[in-house]
Amino acid sequence: KAGVTQTPRYLIKTRGQQVTLSCSPISGHRSVSWYQQTPGQGLQFLFEYFSETQRNKGNFPGRFSGRQFSNSRSEMNVSTLELGDSALYLCASSGTGGLVSGYTFGSGTRLTVV
Amino acid sequence: AQSVTQLGSHVSVSEGALVLLRCNYSSSVPPYLFWYVQYPNQGLQLLLKYTSAATLVKGINGFEAEFKKSETSFHLTKPSAHMSDAAEYFCAVSLIQGAQKLVFGQGTRLTINP
Repeated sequence: KAGVTQTPRYLIKTRGQQVTLSCSPISGHRSVSWYQQTPGQGLQFLFEYFSETQRNKGNFPGRFSGRQFSNSRSEMNVSTLELGDSALYLCASSGTGGLVSGYTFGSGTRLTVV
Repeated sequence: AQSVTQLGSHVSVSEGALVLLRCNYSSSVPPYLFWYVQYPNQGLQLLLKYTSAATLVKGINGFEAEFKKSETSFHLTKPSAHMSDAAEYFCAVSLIQGAQKLVFGQGTRLTINP
C-alpha cells in the first residue's frame, strides 16, 4: 500500500512569507504527526492530529499551525517565516494502535528560508 | 519529562564487524522505545520497537535491541555490519500513556569502512 506522501519535497521561501506543507497519510490511518528536523535542534515534535482534532502540541510559536481534513490529510502552515525555520519537516501517520503499531514517516519537505 | 541520550554522534566500524549504538533514556514511567534509521534525503524508517513485551526485540535488516530497565538503556546491535547500514540512527522514547509523541535522541551517524 502507498506510504506517507509529503508535498512538495523542496521549497525555497523568503523571510516574512508564509508556507503550507501537505501530508497524505497511509490509507486508513487517522493520526498524523509533524516533526521538525534541524542540524542544531535535531528532531522536535510540532503537533499531532487525530480525526481532525489537534491532540498534542509541541513547544513552537504560534506561527506554526496545522489542520487535518476529514480524509485524514493534514497541512501545516508557517507564517512570517524566519531564517531559523529552514528545516526538514517530517510527517508521520499511525493506525488505531497509535505508538504501539509504530509511526510511518514520509520523506519530508525540505524548506529553505532565504 | 522523558529524554533520550545517544552516546556518540558518530560511530565507525569495519564491514563485517559488530555494530553497537548506545541509547539511554530517562522516564518517570514505563516507556515505549524505538529505533529509527534515516538514509540521506529520506524520512525515518522504523527498525524496531519495545512496547513492554519481550525485552529483547528483533527488528529489520538484522538489527536487535535489548531493553534493560535497571540500566535505563536500549542499545542497538547488529552482529555483522554491511555497507548498506551506513546511515543515521535515532533512538526515541514515548510514554505508554499520555501524549502520542516521540522524543528523539540527537542521532548517531554510522559509517562502514570497507
